[in-house]
Amino acid sequence: QKEVEQNSGPLSVPEGAIASLNCTYSDRGSQSFFWYRQYSGKSPELIMFIYSNGDKEDGRFTAQLNKASQYVSLLIRDSQPSDSATYLCAVNIWAAGNKLTFGGGTRVLVKP
Amino acid sequence: DVKVTQSSRYLVKRTGEKVFLECVQDMDHENMFWYRQDPGLGLRLIYFSYDVKMKEKGDIPEGYSVSREKKERFSLILESASTNQTSMYLCASSLKPGELFFGEGSRLTVL
Repeated sequence: QKEVEQNSGPLSVPEGAIASLNCTYSDRGSQSFFWYRQYSGKSPELIMFIYSNGDKEDGRFTAQLNKASQYVSLLIRDSQPSDSATYLCAVNIWAAGNKLTFGGGTRVLVKP
Repeated sequence: DVKVTQSSRYLVKRTGEKVFLECVQDMDHENMFWYRQDPGLGLRLIYFSYDVKMKEKGDIPEGYSVSREKKERFSLILESASTNQTSMYLCASSLKPGELFFGEGSRLTVL
């Protein structure tokens, strides 16, 4: 089992709809969680992080964390064509020396 | 503005050559990282460093070494390049755990 798993997609979303991305992780020692966005041909950039159970909102993005079920999700509200990218989930385990482990990413396509 | 600069965007090398990939950050970050990214395999950590002259192995260190002589510079070295090291190499730096700033990447092709 991979440490961090994501559906590779593509997740096709109409413009203006909500895109829902999921990520599961295997290590219960995981303590902080990150979402990176990567446009085609570009490097990843950090868009959200969450440390505590519950929801965290930042503009059109909401990160949700459920440590008991070992999943973290990202919601993109009012999706725009500019949101078309690959979204990478990453998990940080402090006991492992702050190594950040990435999932394979979910490709999102927002169609006008 | 935050800046992580990788010295070469594209490199083509021959099998057995020694390859240096250099990365410089201007943010005074303690932590620096080298990842490789391959289709279907995602981002995998090669080496990281928390301080000058300090290095830690990541998940796939075999065939690689690193050097950090100055805080702002972290170099990845392929002692004897092989075709399975053809990949996109990404350098990153961070101040806080998990909050990485990536360079533009170096695409290496080994023939």
